[in-house]
Amino acid sequence: TQLLEQSPQFLSIQEGENLTVYCNSSSVFSSLQWYRQEPGEGPVLLVTVVTGGEVKKLKRLTFQFGDARKDSSLHITAAQPGDTGLYLCAGLRPSNYKLTFGKGTLLTVNP
Amino acid sequence: NAGVTQTPKFQVLKTGQSMTLQCAQDMNHEYMSWYRQDPGMGLRLIHYSVGAGITDQGEVPNGYNVSRSTTEDFPLRLLSAAPSQTSVYFCASSTLRGDGYTFGSGTRLTVV
Repeated sequence: TQLLEQSPQFLSIQEGENLTVYCNSSSVFSSLQWYRQEPGEGPVLLVTVVTGGEVKKLKRLTFQFGDARKDSSLHITAAQPGDTGLYLCAGLRPSNYKLTFGKGTLLTVNP
Repeated sequence: NAGVTQTPKFQVLKTGQSMTLQCAQDMNHEYMSWYRQDPGMGLRLIHYSVGAGITDQGEVPNGYNVSRSTTEDFPLRLLSAAPSQTSVYFCASSTLRGDGYTFGSGTRLTVV
């Protein structure tokens, strides 16, 4: 059973388009983290959201944590080829230190 | 540069061989963990540690051992390699606040 469901699994868009990636669960998390991974490298942390309803912006990326702390979304405005990569959401359960990952969204932005 | 260092970067093993994947961090992080990443399966937790002398199992611990004798090092041992252990292995560390992991660049292991 996948604790965190990410959608879509694959996304191929043109430069300049907007997109949203979703991360959903039936479990409550103490925090939700988003990572970006490029081929041959480890995931790199983009943001951590902690409070229900929290919104964080990182340039053209907007991250939102659901009010009930069970889901999150990543919105990219005016995507660029440099945004290409695997985007991973990960949730930290309140009861332990284990970070559980979704399967990821592979984003390709075509010039 | 501060971060998580994993060695080796690539390794090929024969079935039944043993080996140790090394992981070291210089950020004084209490929490360290090992994940494996497989196509279609995402990142799955193998073992983790919340401090020197303390380790615990993750989601897929079978066939792997760990120890944590120092804050900096968290090696992962494969006792008798199997083809099912062919994967990319990542070590990650964090403070106990859980405010974000730092990952190593991975070890690509092939068991033939």
